[in-house]
Amino acid sequence: AQSVTQLGSHVSVSEGALVLLRCNYSSSVPPYLFWYVQYPNQGLQLLLKYTSAATLVKGINGFEAEFKKSETSFHLTKPSAHMSDAAEYFCAVTHNNAGNMLTFGGGTRLMVKP
Amino acid sequence: EAGVAQSPRYKIIEKRQSVAFWCNPISGHATLYWYQQILGQGPKLLIQFQNNGVVDDSQLPKDRFSAERLKGVDSTLKIQPAKLEDSAVYLCASSLFSRAPDTQYFGPGTRLTVL
Repeated sequence: AQSVTQLGSHVSVSEGALVLLRCNYSSSVPPYLFWYVQYPNQGLQLLLKYTSAATLVKGINGFEAEFKKSETSFHLTKPSAHMSDAAEYFCAVTHNNAGNMLTFGGGTRLMVKP
Repeated sequence: EAGVAQSPRYKIIEKRQSVAFWCNPISGHATLYWYQQILGQGPKLLIQFQNNGVVDDSQLPKDRFSAERLKGVDSTLKIQPAKLEDSAVYLCASSLFSRAPDTQYFGPGTRLTVL
């Protein structure tokens, strides 16, 4: 079985501040991990994914995430928040035996204050 | 390249009525997924197709939900009869392959309100 926990359903930062969204996973086999972003009334868009090639993964819009096996974490960061980053962010997990079926966390809503 | 298309975007029905959603995946994508996203939660997979065959439907409430992908391209998801708890956004996604970690591309979703 696999699962994802996103700590903090709402995160608020000031424009220009560091963004840190937390994701912890549980998987009995080596995982593949994803971060998706969802803007209002839109579908999910892939930000980045971990496929075991490198533990530090860089994605679109200046986001990056680091896979830490010892902490079972895959936190998402961005050095400087922009107003356009306000959205809902979802962490998801799958693995080789899961047929590419994603298990999502509950999501974190990021708010950016001017 | 055209993305995943879904229709309708919004649907309001009364409980016990029937409703159907349509999805057209990205051209050439063999794998198609339907997710249910209840307000305030992450998406939950309902069913996965590989071409016109079902890969997994273990989380599909089969007493009221059905889905088909007859020609291995577009797909329909039906609810009959609808319950209040079916109010959610229904997301369709597609990927080129059915093996991890192939990227899934999502459509804009259909927002269903059951009154």
